[in-house]
Amino acid sequence: KAGVTQTPRYLIKTRGQQVTLSCSPISGHRSVSWYQQTPGQGLQFLFEYFSETQRNKGNFPGRFSGRQFSNSRSEMNVSTLELGDSALYLCASTVQGHEQFFGPGTRLTVL
Amino acid sequence: QKEVEQDPGPLSVPEGAIVSLNCTYSNSAFQYFMWYRQYSRKGPELLMYTYSSGNKEDGRFTAQVDKSSKYISLFIRDSQPSDSATYLCAMSAFSGGTSYGKLTFGQGTILTVHP
Repeated sequence: KAGVTQTPRYLIKTRGQQVTLSCSPISGHRSVSWYQQTPGQGLQFLFEYFSETQRNKGNFPGRFSGRQFSNSRSEMNVSTLELGDSALYLCASTVQGHEQFFGPGTRLTVL
Repeated sequence: QKEVEQDPGPLSVPEGAIVSLNCTYSNSAFQYFMWYRQYSRKGPELLMYTYSSGNKEDGRFTAQVDKSSKYISLFIRDSQPSDSATYLCAMSAFSGGTSYGKLTFGQGTILTVHP
């Protein structure tokens, strides 16, 4: 069974730009969660989607948004990038919402 | 105060040692407990998943949960250099409302097993 895939793996952007990251969950998994990982804050929950609906959102500004498609693939978007948005962005998929399986992440660098 | 506290280490042990990794938590709503291993520049890999107090064993790994003390542990027996990684504990509450799809992580413990 293929694992969670994320594209692109690496991104370099400048302040003020926007970025879109993609996540394809494990086949049959309908729940996708997104996390931001930084050395200072660790892994922090961004939001979760299930059947194209956002069910939960973490404590991040509105510049961070996402969506999910009918095939369970998910995207997250960050608008008006700031230097502090540099991080590893991880998505995870699950059947039940607890036992989550992570992708390799997208490393975003904002210059 | 963070909901989940984990000693960041770093922890350095000789090959073959027994490693003990620990997390404490303050939110009594947490009912599901996981341990992840993360190699440098990779995504976290699920090692253990449990939802009841007591021990769960899988090969060289044993996860222990004590809900009354709000304390979880991961033991690694016969540690190998390939176990060198960051170990993260993670927890979640029953699904619903602000718990949907949300894992709360500890800061991670950096482990080095030297030959």
